[in-house]
Amino acid sequence: AQSVTQLGSHVSVSEGALVLLRCNYSSSVPPYLFWYVQYPNQGLQLLLKYTTGATLVKGINGFEAEFKKSETSFHLTKPSAHMSDAAEYFCAVSERTYKYIFGTGTRLKVLA
Amino acid sequence: EAQVTQNPRYLITVTGKKLTVTCSQNMNHEYMSWYRQDPGLGLRQIYYSMNVEVTDKGDVPEGYKVSRKEKRNFPLILESPSPNQTSLYFCASSSRDSNTEAFFGQGTRLTVV
Repeated sequence: AQSVTQLGSHVSVSEGALVLLRCNYSSSVPPYLFWYVQYPNQGLQLLLKYTTGATLVKGINGFEAEFKKSETSFHLTKPSAHMSDAAEYFCAVSERTYKYIFGTGTRLKVLA
Repeated sequence: EAQVTQNPRYLITVTGKKLTVTCSQNMNHEYMSWYRQDPGLGLRQIYYSMNVEVTDKGDVPEGYKVSRKEKRNFPLILESPSPNQTSLYFCASSSRDSNTEAFFGQGTRLTVV
């Protein structure tokens, strides 16, 4: 069965500092991996996705993630945090596009 | 504009009063799903549909019903809501193409008192 673990339900970083949000997954088949962001009172917006090909995936708003099969990880990074990055971030794994398994989410706080 | 539209955005109801949350997508997607989001639990799938008249249970289907009579619509029905169904609900649609992602609606915040 698939599962997703996000380490750290709350992460705080200073503005301009590196953002690192951790995601580990388990899947019996090559997975499709996603990061979604949720701003207050809004739906989920896709940040980036890994399906096949290059393991370093670039997304919107300067975020990127690297698929590491040996570590079963798909951590999300951004070199320099901005106040507008404050939101909740969800990692998800999917074997079929009608079913996603989500992590429990990481709320990112950016300190001025 | 490609979008998934849910209505209503906010709903307060009383225990036992039947309600329906509507979901419509304009992308001609085959797949549609309902999720609920609860603090500390992330999003969990309630039901999904692979095509018209084809629906199946997700991980937390108890107390919910769905129907898929048209490709674009996928309503979520709570026939007898209870307080433990107070949650934030999201509808999602996706293509059969495995390289694509799911698109989510704006969410419906339901409170059952």
